[in-house]
Amino acid sequence: DTEVTQTPKHLVMGMTNKKSLKCEQHMGHRAMYWYKQKAKKPPELMFVYSYEKLSINESVPSRFSPECPNSSLLNLHLHALQPEDSALYLCASSQAYLPESEQFFGPGTRLTVL
Amino acid sequence: GQQLNQSPQSMFIQEGEDVSMNCTSSSIFNTWLWYKQDPGEGPVLLIALYKAGELTSNGRLTAQFGITRKDSFLNISASIPSDVGIYFCAGQGPKLSFGAGTTVTVRA
Repeated sequence: DTEVTQTPKHLVMGMTNKKSLKCEQHMGHRAMYWYKQKAKKPPELMFVYSYEKLSINESVPSRFSPECPNSSLLNLHLHALQPEDSALYLCASSQAYLPESEQFFGPGTRLTVL
Repeated sequence: GQQLNQSPQSMFIQEGEDVSMNCTSSSIFNTWLWYKQDPGEGPVLLIALYKAGELTSNGRLTAQFGITRKDSFLNISASIPSDVGIYFCAGQGPKLSFGAGTTVTVRA
């Protein structure tokens, strides 16, 4: 199984809503990532988890809250988002957080904030 | 991470043509990756390069890791309609630094 899965595929939420994005991998990878991608731009790193611990937070606003319940799962909790947060949110995983461990991406969640 | 210089920004292909794109960086990377992204989908890893000078093929795709570790190119031979999409280069160190992407479109 070489797949990273993400749910939901699409999400529309109001600025006062609370929602969560989910990501799962069964490749035994110990590093997982959240990226944000705007149209026609490359992905931008948000968070890195290594061995279920948060290693990197790229100065992401606190309205985005990541969680890694176990080595296969990664969540992104959303609260009080702004319309400019609308984007494709990508999860990725790699064997480890190392230069030689290539990252594999999921299909993404298309988020629209109204 | 830093953004890499990827060119061309866009290109039009005719079925059967060979196409080429490249990526340069001011920094050295130990790993270069090439991804393809279709609309509404996540990037799919095409080729990973680990050694300076390495030339790697995956079907009709060929990529090379530059000797200086600061550049890479991707060639697509005998292009077909499903080659359209956005191609991203990325240097991994361990964060991914992406190029701006090359948009490949079919020539009408």
